[in-house]
Amino acid sequence: GENVEQHPSTLSVQEGDSAVIKCTYSDSASNYFPWYKQELGKRPQLIIDIRSNVGEKKDQRIAVTLNKTAKHFSLHITETQPEDSAVYFCAASWNSGYSTLTFGKGTMLLVSP
Amino acid sequence: GAGVSQTPSNKVTEKGKYVELRCDPISGHTALYWYRQSLGQGPEFLIYFQGTGAADDSGLPNDRFFAVRPEGSVSTLKIQRTERGDSAVYLCASSPGSGEQFFGPGTRLTVL
Repeated sequence: GENVEQHPSTLSVQEGDSAVIKCTYSDSASNYFPWYKQELGKRPQLIIDIRSNVGEKKDQRIAVTLNKTAKHFSLHITETQPEDSAVYFCAASWNSGYSTLTFGKGTMLLVSP
Repeated sequence: GAGVSQTPSNKVTEKGKYVELRCDPISGHTALYWYRQSLGQGPEFLIYFQGTGAADDSGLPNDRFFAVRPEGSVSTLKIQRTERGDSAVYLCASSPGSGEQFFGPGTRLTVL
C-alpha cells in the first residue's frame, strides 16, 4: 500500500519568514495530494490540494508543488503569522474521486512573533 | 452550511464495554470515511462507504470493529469488547466525490 513520509516533524520560524514542509510517497499511482492544518484539539482542515496533472498550485500565502518523477510534494507558506502555528499533515490517494487518504505523521509549525 | 458533526465529542468507557460513535456527514455527500488518530500521528484509515455499502473496510483492525450507514447518510462506528489500545480520536470525513474530504471534530475515546 501507499506510504507517506513527512519532514520535518517540527519547524520553528519567526513571523514573516517562509516555511517549507516536504512529503514523499511510494505509490506511483497516487494522483491526489491534499494538505490539512490541525490546531490543537480541532478537526483537520483542508487548506490546499494538488492533482497529478499540475506541478504547482497557489492560494494567497500558501503554495504546493508536486514532482511526480521524484514522488515528492511540498507545502510552502510565505509571510508566516502566529496564527499559522498548527500541525500540518500531507496525504496522498490514488483516485482523486473516491479513495482513502494515506497521511504523513505531521509537522508541528511554530511561528514566533 | 453545516459541516460534518460527530457525537459524542468525548466517550469514556471501561475495558470490555461496547461503544457506538456517530457521524453526520455534510448533506448530499455520497462518500463517508472513518479514520483513527492517535496522539502525535496522522489519521489512519478504517473504513469507507459509498452510499450505503462499505466500499473498503481494509483498515478495520479486527472483527471487534464494525460500521454501518443504513440510509446512506448518518454512519455509526461500533466497537465491541473495547481494549485500552482502542483509545484514540475517531474522525469521520465526508466527500462529494471530487476528492476533497471534510472532517468532523472527532470523538475522543478513552478506554479505562
